[in-house]
Amino acid sequence: GAVVSQHPSWVICKSGTSVKIECRSLDFQATTMFWYRQFPKQSLMLMATSNEGSKATYEQGVEKDKFLINHASLTLSTLTVTSAHPEDSSFYICSAAQGASQPQHFGDGTRLSIL
Amino acid sequence: QKEVEQNSGPLSVPEGAIASLNCTYSDRGSQSFFWYRQYSGKSPELIMSIYSNGDKEDGRFTAQLNKASQYVSLLIRDSQPSDSATYLCAVNNNAGNMLTFGGGTRLMVKP
Repeated sequence: GAVVSQHPSWVICKSGTSVKIECRSLDFQATTMFWYRQFPKQSLMLMATSNEGSKATYEQGVEKDKFLINHASLTLSTLTVTSAHPEDSSFYICSAAQGASQPQHFGDGTRLSIL
Repeated sequence: QKEVEQNSGPLSVPEGAIASLNCTYSDRGSQSFFWYRQYSGKSPELIMSIYSNGDKEDGRFTAQLNKASQYVSLLIRDSQPSDSATYLCAVNNNAGNMLTFGGGTRLMVKP
């Protein structure tokens, strides 16, 4: 149980393109999902908390107009990187938990490369 | 001051030995503690959860929690080269699901 699916796993696109990443909880409902970013050889960095039916909560320094989050249902959250530039190239990972105080389960991640 | 601290390593152990990974946390109200393994280029994978003081064993893994000392550890017995990865300590200090992660300890198991 507690499977989180993330799609796509790899994206290569030109600068200025918008990219949408999907995160699904396959066998449980998640009112809260999390989006992380990780640069090579660095720690996980929480970008935002995605709340079903309401606005996402962004961490300090994360541009909410650039990283659009939509949590339209209890099993799906999407992250859209708008007008992506080479500095947005990174490993983006989502996670979800089955309930309060439960561990987060991570998707496989999306490696984004902006040319 | 970081809320969850880990030695970045690398921690190098020979194959078959016990690897001991340590983590300290600053919030005394923390309730849930987790260990994740992250292979290079992959996303984190949950390997242990612990909620109460003492030891919890699962196969070759043992998690140890001491809330009085604000300390949680992970022991890996009979270490294998396939255990070589970065191990992340994560702490939940509220009633929700948000976790605070340590920076991770890189473990290298030498054949």
